[in-house]
Amino acid sequence: GQQVMQIPQYQHVQEGEDFTTYCNSSTTLSNIQWYKQRPGGHPVFLIQLVKSGEVKKQKRLTFQFGEAKKNSSLHITATQTTDVGTYFCAGLNTNAGKSTFGDGTTLTVKP
Amino acid sequence: DAGVTQSPTHLIKTRGQHVTLRCSPISGHKSVSWYQQVLGQGPQFIFQYYEKEERGRGNFPDRFSARQFPNYSSELNVNALLLGDSALYLCASSFSGVSNQPQHFGDGTRLSIL
Repeated sequence: GQQVMQIPQYQHVQEGEDFTTYCNSSTTLSNIQWYKQRPGGHPVFLIQLVKSGEVKKQKRLTFQFGEAKKNSSLHITATQTTDVGTYFCAGLNTNAGKSTFGDGTTLTVKP
Repeated sequence: DAGVTQSPTHLIKTRGQHVTLRCSPISGHKSVSWYQQVLGQGPQFIFQYYEKEERGRGNFPDRFSARQFPNYSSELNVNALLLGDSALYLCASSFSGVSNQPQHFGDGTRLSIL
């Protein structure tokens, strides 16, 4: 079945440093969504990418969808303590009819 | 507007018992999905319901079942509970049954099996 892998599993950064998490799918995706889950909270939708090579920005966050639509990345510039949490990608394979979540990258930020 | 609401927030059961978890979607949302999240892992898809019909099912045993009511709320039932069923159960709603819709999650029900 479809597998979605995320690396790294954990990332510890100093406040102000950049952060990147990568998402790789075993199959070609129709779209990919990114979610953020704060400690003790629930996943919150951040963004959806649909087109091959698509790049979207939200303030300090930059999301990319690979040309082959099998990988994606989330980059945070100049991290802040409010960025702490686990970032999940969820890839949709239309043949499977459902999205598959990766296991997330947990970001901690040291002030 | 209220977000997705789930009840109960916490539940403790013993092996062999059954459990019913409830979810009310955001007003106007007609699709509800259920996920199981084990500590340290991403949410795993269990079911999706849209307009009271099952639209998708994940790789979970038949002990797991669900339904959606005319008001679009939903219940997840798990029979013959096992220790491995201990997890956070998340409900997510979206406007339609199309899989590319953003999903809005509730706070979840934390189920502990003793």
